Amino acid sequence: SQQGEEDPQALSIQEGENATMNCSYKTSINNLQWYRQNSGRGLVHLILIRSNEREKHSGRLRVTLDTSKKSSSLLITASRAADTASYFCATFQAGTALIFGKGTTLSVSS
Amino acid sequence: DVKVTQSSRYLVKRTGEKVFLECVQDMDHENMFWYRQDPGLGLRLIYFSYDVKMKEKGDIPEGYSVSREKKERFSLILESASTNQTSMYLCASSLFAQENIQYFGAGTRLSVL
Repeated sequence: SQQGEEDPQALSIQEGENATMNCSYKTSINNLQWYRQNSGRGLVHLILIRSNEREKHSGRLRVTLDTSKKSSSLLITASRAADTASYFCATFQAGTALIFGKGTTLSVSS
Repeated sequence: DVKVTQSSRYLVKRTGEKVFLECVQDMDHENMFWYRQDPGLGLRLIYFSYDVKMKEKGDIPEGYSVSREKKERFSLILESASTNQTSMYLCASSLFAQENIQYFGAGTRLSVL
């Protein structure tokens, strides 16, 4: 039962450009999290936004949450080649496990 | 530093074999999870555990079982491996108090021939 759906599925940009990924979900949530996965490795937690928050920043990352539209976006500013990875959103609802989307694959070329 | 260790990075097994995938965390986390990841399908939850000796089915438990005899260790068992279980398997752990932020192992790429 996939809750989060990322858009686009794949994104290719040049170094220095900004990358925006979107996530839509279906039910009410307690928080929404973004994870990153380098090729062939495990996922790494990037940032968490609670249902009562609208925007959060961490370094070059900016996350927004619109609970009325059941959507979130992840913005990576001034992308670097090292940002090349897959990015997943995951939603948490109390009493359940995290539910992950299918991911956006980001390629940053130099 | 937080650490989740999966016993093997790569594993090759034959159809019908019993396969054990081991996962150990050193963070005293209550919750542990097993996922499989396939191209185009994202992460799918197989089983999870909220406490020692407790287990809950995820979205795709068929063909798998789990064991959690100690808090730090969560094992995934393929009772009789089949070719459609060839996949990347990811283990994760989390704390309720940390809003269920999950920490992942490096993954085990299993090939069943």
